[in-house]
Amino acid sequence: AQSVAQPEDQVNVAEGNPLTVKCTYSVSGNPYLFWYVQYPNRGLQFLLKYITGDNLVKGSYGFEAEFNKSQTSFHLKKPSALVSDSALYFCAVRDIGNTGFQKLVFGTGTRLLVSP
Amino acid sequence: DTGVSQDPRHKITKRGQNVTFRCDPISEHNRLYWYRQTLGQGPEFLTYFQNEAQLEKSRLLSDRFSAERPKGSFSTLEIQRTEQGDSAMYLCASSLRDSGEQFFGPGTRLTVL
Repeated sequence: AQSVAQPEDQVNVAEGNPLTVKCTYSVSGNPYLFWYVQYPNRGLQFLLKYITGDNLVKGSYGFEAEFNKSQTSFHLKKPSALVSDSALYFCAVRDIGNTGFQKLVFGTGTRLLVSP
Repeated sequence: DTGVSQDPRHKITKRGQNVTFRCDPISEHNRLYWYRQTLGQGPEFLTYFQNEAQLEKSRLLSDRFSAERPKGSFSTLEIQRTEQGDSAMYLCASSLRDSGEQFFGPGTRLTVL
């Protein structure tokens, strides 16, 4: 089964500094990888995805992610963090169900705290 | 607002009662998913519809859970004889195609007393 791991429960960064939120994956076949963000009492918002192509994927709100096949990683990055980036971030991988459909398998999430 | 909507946003119920949640997907999306999220965890897949057909159910979905999507539009998720362990955020998502991203609603937070 496909899976992702987010090794950090929380990441702290000062505003203006670069941020990285880590994700590693375990898949059979080619991975379809996603990042979502969740603000308090709200649903998940899509940030970016990797299916194929360039290893550096650009997404919403200035976020980007780097796909690294040799390290089986898909880390989320942003050059300059904002206080408003503070939220819960989920990495996810596509898994093919029994009937051939796609479902998402999520990591446990990483809380990002950006201090002023 | 043309995003995914869910109703109600919050539901408090007593153990043993039945509850029903509704999800309205993005109108042109034929794929609809239900997930459950408990505190400190990522969302876990529950069930999937393509149009009106329920094509997949997770083992997490016990016999007390039933989902429908009549006419391939909105969907309902019913939990019968609720238990305290059912307390969670229930998320609905929709997508246009399998390789595309899923768009999530705001969720329904269920608390079973």
